Amino acid sequence: GQQLNQSPQSMFIQEGEDVSMNCTSSSIFNTWLWYKQDPGEGPVLLIALYKAGELTSNGRLTAQFGITRKDSFLNISASIPSDVGIYFCAGQLPGTASKLTFGTGTRLQVTL
Amino acid sequence: DAGITQSPRYKITETGRQVTLMCHQTWSHSYMFWYRQDLGHGLRLIYYSAAADITDKGEVPDGYVVSRSKTENFPLTLESATRSQTSVYFCAAASGKVGSELAKNIQYFGAGTRLSVL
Repeated sequence: GQQLNQSPQSMFIQEGEDVSMNCTSSSIFNTWLWYKQDPGEGPVLLIALYKAGELTSNGRLTAQFGITRKDSFLNISASIPSDVGIYFCAGQLPGTASKLTFGTGTRLQVTL
Repeated sequence: DAGITQSPRYKITETGRQVTLMCHQTWSHSYMFWYRQDLGHGLRLIYYSAAADITDKGEVPDGYVVSRSKTENFPLTLESATRSQTSVYFCAAASGKVGSELAKNIQYFGAGTRLSVL
């Protein structure tokens, strides 16, 4: 099936550092979503993007919908210990109603 | 969030047994989805439903059966469990309504069911 290439697979950073991760695809997407999953829980929506070029913030998180509609980026500023978890990108392909294609996730570890 | 609940949270079963995982949502969202999550594979779609009595296969449907007789419930059945079906299973719901254009594609997830097949 359709794949989203998400990178990096994992990150080990120190508290206070900024984090960047991205998702790319060979296909065009209509919607990009970013989720976070804490251990033992389901993914929780962080940011939703609906237009090419859109830049949206949610607290310390900022995400962008790539101009080509084939990629998206998530940045976390001044990381804190509770940022630990797995971050997933997800995209909605044209004509697929509410179905989403998920990336394989970026595992973030924050050290004090 | 209490909007979508999955049960049980943990299940251990034996090879060959039938197992049903339950999913219930309180929003009356049109779309519901079942995913499995395995290391190295992220979230893979098993089945989805666009409305009551309408279901369709996802990426990895073999060995699974779904039904949707009511909008709020979307059970997933493993008819004869195999060890390869050991996984964490997530249910999700999305409104899919044109009226809520900006939010229709957002999927909201349950807390998951961790299934072990011995």
